[in-house]
Amino acid sequence: DTAVSQTPKYLVTQMGNDKSIKCEQNLGHDTMYWYKQDSKKFLKIMFSYNNKELIINETVPNRFSPKSPDKAHLNLHINSLELGDSAVYFCASSAGGNYGYTFGSGTRLTVV
Amino acid sequence: SQELEQSPQSLIVQEGKNLTINCTSSKTLYGLYWYKQKYGEGLIFLMMLQKGGEEKSHEKITAKLDEKKQQSSLHITASQPSHAGIYLCGADRSNYQLIWGAGTKLIIKP
Repeated sequence: DTAVSQTPKYLVTQMGNDKSIKCEQNLGHDTMYWYKQDSKKFLKIMFSYNNKELIINETVPNRFSPKSPDKAHLNLHINSLELGDSAVYFCASSAGGNYGYTFGSGTRLTVV
Repeated sequence: SQELEQSPQSLIVQEGKNLTINCTSSKTLYGLYWYKQKYGEGLIFLMMLQKGGEEKSHEKITAKLDEKKQQSSLHITASQPSHAGIYLCGADRSNYQLIWGAGTKLIIKP
């Protein structure tokens, strides 16, 4: 069973569209994250939720809105997509302490 | 320059040989993670180091944290094709924040 699953894996869409990426974890972790990977493989945190509560909200455009219906899910909704939004987005979860982070396989978003 | 510098950027190693990847921080390291990334498979957690001098092993992979040098090294012994991929180091900067290196691409030649 996949521990952290993201859907879709690939997303190609036109500028101006609204899209969502879903993330689910079955590890029972309290904290979930969204990261954006840039062209140099650098992962930048965007949002973090702990037990459905937003705890980190980095400087990202308001067009990006996370939604956590329960602690096992953290979805990312993006409005009015722009070319610069093209990237790989990773969802992750953690139990804290020494257990590290468990990442999903990523969603490659391409805006054309 | 990035807060976490990985070296080398890429590495081609003959199967069976040993290799080392380094991760150097421009700031004090409080927690250092090593991950392996394979295309389409996401990031695979290898190990986490927290204390200076700490050393951990996972199968044929050993990582060590040198807190004074603000550096961690990842050593693979007797490399195999399954070791191929991109190795990423990450570090804790503040609560829940993760900074990542640019990665080291490892190719294993049969």
